[in-house]
Amino acid sequence: GAVVSQHPSWVICKSGTSVKIECRSLDFQATTMFWYRQFPKQSLMLMATSNEGSKATYEQGVEKDKFLINHASLTLSTLTVTSAHPEDSSFYICSARPVGGTDTQYFGPGTRLTVL
Amino acid sequence: AQSVSQHNHHVILSEAASLELGCNYSYGGTVNLFWYVQYPGQHLQLLLKYFSGDPLVKGIKGFEAEFIKSKFSFNLRKPSVQWSDTAEYFCAVNAGTYKYIFGTGTRLKVLA
Repeated sequence: GAVVSQHPSWVICKSGTSVKIECRSLDFQATTMFWYRQFPKQSLMLMATSNEGSKATYEQGVEKDKFLINHASLTLSTLTVTSAHPEDSSFYICSARPVGGTDTQYFGPGTRLTVL
Repeated sequence: AQSVSQHNHHVILSEAASLELGCNYSYGGTVNLFWYVQYPGQHLQLLLKYFSGDPLVKGIKGFEAEFIKSKFSFNLRKPSVQWSDTAEYFCAVNAGTYKYIFGTGTRLKVLA
């Protein structure tokens, strides 16, 4: 149980285009989903926290107009990287916290974004 | 600000050697503590967690961790590692919110 999927697993796009990444909790409902960014050989940095039906809370230094987050249902959150640039190339990971669950987060497999 | 430190960035061990990975955090209040593992090409998986109670926590795959409140530490241990334990290990803390703060990770390589 507690499986989280991400789609796509990898994407290559041209500079200036927008890319949408989906995060789904497959066998549970998620009150809260989190989006992280992982740079090569570094740790996960929390970008934002999203709660179903409300606006996402962004961490300091994360541009909310660039990284649009929508949490439309209890099983789906999306991250859209708008007007992507090469410096946005990274590994994006989502996690989900089950409704009524403890503070444990379950992680998706990540999405590798490469911006040319 | 809250922070998590993992002092060992790279560890190389032979099979059957004992493992201890350090994790220290900075926060004076109640914390929840986690160890996650990321095998090559795979997603983060929960190894074990501590919320309260017995400070010695047993997790999957023979791993355990001990919460020492006075030292702000939550070190991960395994008495005898296997080649299949080669992975990156992350310590994480959440304190007062649902947000995790991750350590920088430790890359473990086990030589067969």
